[in-house]
Amino acid sequence: GAVVSQHPSWVICKSGTSVKIECRSLDFQATTMFWYRQFPKQSLMLMATSNEGSKATYEQGVEKDKFLINHASLTLSTLTVTSAHPEDSSFYICSAPLNYGYTFGSGTRLTVV
Amino acid sequence: RKEVEQDPGPFNVPEGATVAFNCTYSNSASQSFFWYRQDCRKEPKLLMSVYSSGNEDGRFTAQLNRASQYISLLIRDSKLSDSATYLCVRRDNYGQNFVFGPGTRLSVLP
Repeated sequence: GAVVSQHPSWVICKSGTSVKIECRSLDFQATTMFWYRQFPKQSLMLMATSNEGSKATYEQGVEKDKFLINHASLTLSTLTVTSAHPEDSSFYICSAPLNYGYTFGSGTRLTVV
Repeated sequence: RKEVEQDPGPFNVPEGATVAFNCTYSNSASQSFFWYRQDCRKEPKLLMSVYSSGNEDGRFTAQLNRASQYISLLIRDSKLSDSATYLCVRRDNYGQNFVFGPGTRLSVLP
């Protein structure tokens, strides 16, 4: 079935470096991709919505210059955490609408040390 | 008030027990509701949609009460494998975005 492939599944990086997370839609075209973040024992919180060929829409409180989103094709959306800090350590997950439902990537656990 | 609220739990129940979760929402606009299940460090997975008429899928029963603005999930004959966090999710029918509740953690004990 249709799947969103998300990579990497986990990453450890040093403070100040940048990390790119990719979500690829397999067997379908994702014109929209939602990016969520989940801190331990908390709910998934929408960070931004990316749309193919246009600028992403960021939720209030999410720094667009820190969390760069690119949706250059119908099958690929990327989230880059720039100048990562320990407080950015979280579980990041993407989701794409599909038919009448949604399909989620498997998530990326980011640890910034 | 948060859009979607849930009791975080944890609910610790013995195998075979019946357990029920409630979820309340504050936005009365036209929308759809779902129950998702999330295992630790994994992506959420759709458990079932929620209909006003109530719907059942095996041991799981979901109910939506629009007048009182709450959704319920009933699990009968709990299994160890039911241990997870159950997320109440709302979607605005005019948009595509989901709003996730904080989740209710269930532990089914042997």
